[in-house]
Amino acid sequence: KAGVTQTPRYLIKTRGQQVTLSCSPISGHRSVSWYQQTPGQGLQFLFEYFSETQRNKGNFPGRFSGRQFSNSRSEMNVSTLELGDSALYLCASSATYNEQFFGPGTRLTVL
Amino acid sequence: AQSVTQLDSQVPVFEEAPVELRCNYSSSVSVYLFWYVQYPNQGLQLLLKYLSGSTLVESINGFEAEFNKSQTSFHLRKPSVHISDTAEYFCAVRHSGGSNYKLTFGKGTLLTVNP
Repeated sequence: KAGVTQTPRYLIKTRGQQVTLSCSPISGHRSVSWYQQTPGQGLQFLFEYFSETQRNKGNFPGRFSGRQFSNSRSEMNVSTLELGDSALYLCASSATYNEQFFGPGTRLTVL
Repeated sequence: AQSVTQLDSQVPVFEEAPVELRCNYSSSVSVYLFWYVQYPNQGLQLLLKYLSGSTLVESINGFEAEFNKSQTSFHLRKPSVHISDTAEYFCAVRHSGGSNYKLTFGKGTLLTVNP
């Protein structure tokens, strides 16, 4: 089975721009979660989608949004980028409550 | 709400020495506990998990962790480490009830194994 894939792997943007990151979960997995990883804040939960519905949301501003498609693929969007949005964005998929499988992440650099 | 504290941000050890990475959690509800490992420029890999049953859980590569409910701890141990164990290790919890899969992570412990 193929693992979780994330595209692109690396991205450079400038302040004020917007960005869309993509995540393809493991086949059959209906839950997709997104996390932001930074050296200062560590790993922080952004949101989780299940069957195209946002099931849980972390404490991030409204500039961060996401969606899930009928094939379970998910995208997250960050508008009006700030320098502090530079981070590794990790996607995780899950079929059951007891394990999440993480993708390699997208490294976003905001200049 | 849950929180996780990893007491050591960095742990340097020599090859073949034992190691313990400490993790304490706080939660008002029952939780599941996890240890993840992250190698440079990679995502997270699940190392082991505690859901229920035996409080001692083991991984296939020699790590073990023990759930201690009274001390709210889930420390990770390995009796003899290898160079290849060098990585960052994250302890995580999630609510054992409910329908969301949100994980709350600790800040991580960088394990460096020296020859």
